[in-house]
Amino acid sequence: SQQGEEDPQALSIQEGENATMNCSYKTSINNLQWYRQNSGRGLVHLILIRSNEREKHSGRLRVTLDTSKKSSSLLITASRAADTASYFCATGYGGATNKLIFGTGTLLAVQP
Amino acid sequence: DGGITQSPKYLFRKEGQNVTLSCEQNLNHDAMYWYRQDPGQGLRLIYYSQIVNDFQKGDIAEGYSVSREKKESFPLTVTSAQKNPTAFYLCASSPGLATSETQYFGPGTRLLVL
Repeated sequence: SQQGEEDPQALSIQEGENATMNCSYKTSINNLQWYRQNSGRGLVHLILIRSNEREKHSGRLRVTLDTSKKSSSLLITASRAADTASYFCATGYGGATNKLIFGTGTLLAVQP
Repeated sequence: DGGITQSPKYLFRKEGQNVTLSCEQNLNHDAMYWYRQDPGQGLRLIYYSQIVNDFQKGDIAEGYSVSREKKESFPLTVTSAQKNPTAFYLCASSPGLATSETQYFGPGTRLLVL
């Protein structure tokens, strides 16, 4: 399966701490994206990093991509209770495949 | 107010019944998608459409059907052939024809079997 795998499956931290989630994939990609899902809601796009980029920032989010290890990490700094959600990585494949494939997600709980 | 809407929020299906989930977008996006999400799982692609009057099967199309008669609408029918339909269904769209690019999601429809 091309599906990304995320690690850890669940993470519990205190407000103000940093949260790091990892995503690994199996075949070469065009891009890698991170999405957030609040319980029972749709997904919200957070950030996209292309295969020729190594790091990207957006507010309190920092994403890294290591194509040699086929892995990415999402860092949320100074976490807030409102960051509690599931976070999914999605790998984008161009060319004939032309798909976006979602991982199984990391459930983040930020304790106030 | 632009976005993607899905209705209904909750849907109940009886044995042998076909049900249709609605998805509408006013973002002027070309591509639209249907995903299924089971508890604690990621999303699995059911069908997608890159242009009006054309659609493609995803990874788990069996027991589902779609139509794309208008750019803004992509309804999903869960047929009686789908033996395990209980799940959370998400509709998404993206601006262009590259389905590997950023997707924008609706709020979802939860389907339950009576």
